Amino acid sequence: QQPVQSPQAVILREGEDAVINCSSSKALYSVHWYRQKHGEAPVFLMILLKGGEQKGHEKISASFNEKKQQSSLYLTASQLSYSGTYFCGTGRNSGYALNFGKGTSLLVTP
Amino acid sequence: NAGVTQTPKFQVLKTGQSMTLQCAQDMNHNSMYWYRQDPGMGLRLIYYSASEGTTDKGEVPNGYNVSRLNKREFSLRLESAAPSQTSVYFCASRLQEKLFFGSGTQLSVL
Repeated sequence: QQPVQSPQAVILREGEDAVINCSSSKALYSVHWYRQKHGEAPVFLMILLKGGEQKGHEKISASFNEKKQQSSLYLTASQLSYSGTYFCGTGRNSGYALNFGKGTSLLVTP
Repeated sequence: NAGVTQTPKFQVLKTGQSMTLQCAQDMNHNSMYWYRQDPGMGLRLIYYSASEGTTDKGEVPNGYNVSRLNKREFSLRLESAAPSQTSVYFCASRLQEKLFFGSGTQLSVL
């Protein structure tokens, strides 16, 4: 079952912050975040495991609330290079057969 | 290092025709996956192979078959193509928590 992402689209000015949310109706083992630029393949950003810590990547960080089956991706001081579509993928076990959400389109403007 | 290679990159089929999408990885990964991406639908898992010799259905397996030919290769077959199978198909392999995607196959079924 696909996780639900919100918002569907975001437009930011360079330097602004954004939060992308991902929620599931089922218990989760892991949440994975990927970014896809137009016409390219998705690229791994980070993973959050059940019982694990919040993990960051430069100015992009994420959290995982296991009880609520929710994850949020935080983009701080956004850069033009952050533009793209962000997908969360959820795994119910350690097999990493991920179900991805429909994506959040992020556009950072000068 | 080529990573994950998909062929062909583009294909046009007529309804009822059959074809096989090829995927090969040179990273010695055990697990491989097939996803389809449709506008507004995100990435949906078709089939996956946790290891050589095993395959499992994902969210949207109907109309597809897969073969894990060896550790390197994982092919996706459309026996009788339908317009609903018009999509971009991504193959991926996994190392630990990361999925590595191929560049995709854009398939149109007329």
